[in-house]
Amino acid sequence: NAGVTQTPKFRILKIGQSMTLQCAQDMNHNYMYWYRQDPGMGLKLIYYSVGAGITDKGEVPNGYNVSRSTTEDFPLRLELAAPSQTSVYFCASSPGPDFEQYFGPGTRLTVT
Amino acid sequence: RKEVEQDPGPFNVPEGATVAFNCTYSNSASQSFFWYRQDCRKEPKLLMSVYSSGNEDGRFTAQLNRASQYISLLIRDSKLSDSATYLCVSDFNKFYFGSGTKLNVKP
Repeated sequence: NAGVTQTPKFRILKIGQSMTLQCAQDMNHNYMYWYRQDPGMGLKLIYYSVGAGITDKGEVPNGYNVSRSTTEDFPLRLELAAPSQTSVYFCASSPGPDFEQYFGPGTRLTVT
Repeated sequence: RKEVEQDPGPFNVPEGATVAFNCTYSNSASQSFFWYRQDCRKEPKLLMSVYSSGNEDGRFTAQLNRASQYISLLIRDSKLSDSATYLCVSDFNKFYFGSGTKLNVKP
């Protein structure tokens, strides 16, 4: 099993550009999550999904969009990138709401 | 008020020392608690779940105090390889991560 994979590993965006961060898991987990982690800070939940076709906002959803068309994939879309979106983005999955979350290796995004 | 609060540290301890971290949570209805470990520039990984009765895994002991709404992590006989940031997590519908406590174990 590859677990949770994320692409790309690094990306530099100019202000106003858009991009999609990819996340895939091969553990057949229903729950998937997107977090951002700013330097020296904890993880903040952006969006999560409890199954294909179902998504919901977390603490910091503004400036992002998600979709969940399959159990395996949970892409995160950034529209009109801003410097405040410079961060490390982690995708995670879990079998259910009270279970361990498995994290991908992260995407380091810089917006200049 | 933050859902989960931790002392950011850093805790600088010599090898072999015992070190303890506390973490407070604000929602008394939280049901699940965890400690995650995060190495520099890496993803968080589960260290251990925290059960109501307390639990131990080798050199690591986790405790939950519902009356005072805190969880703790005790590390005995610290190793150099224990150097990392430790994140506490409470779960009430969603995971809430603390900002992490940095541990440096020195030779």
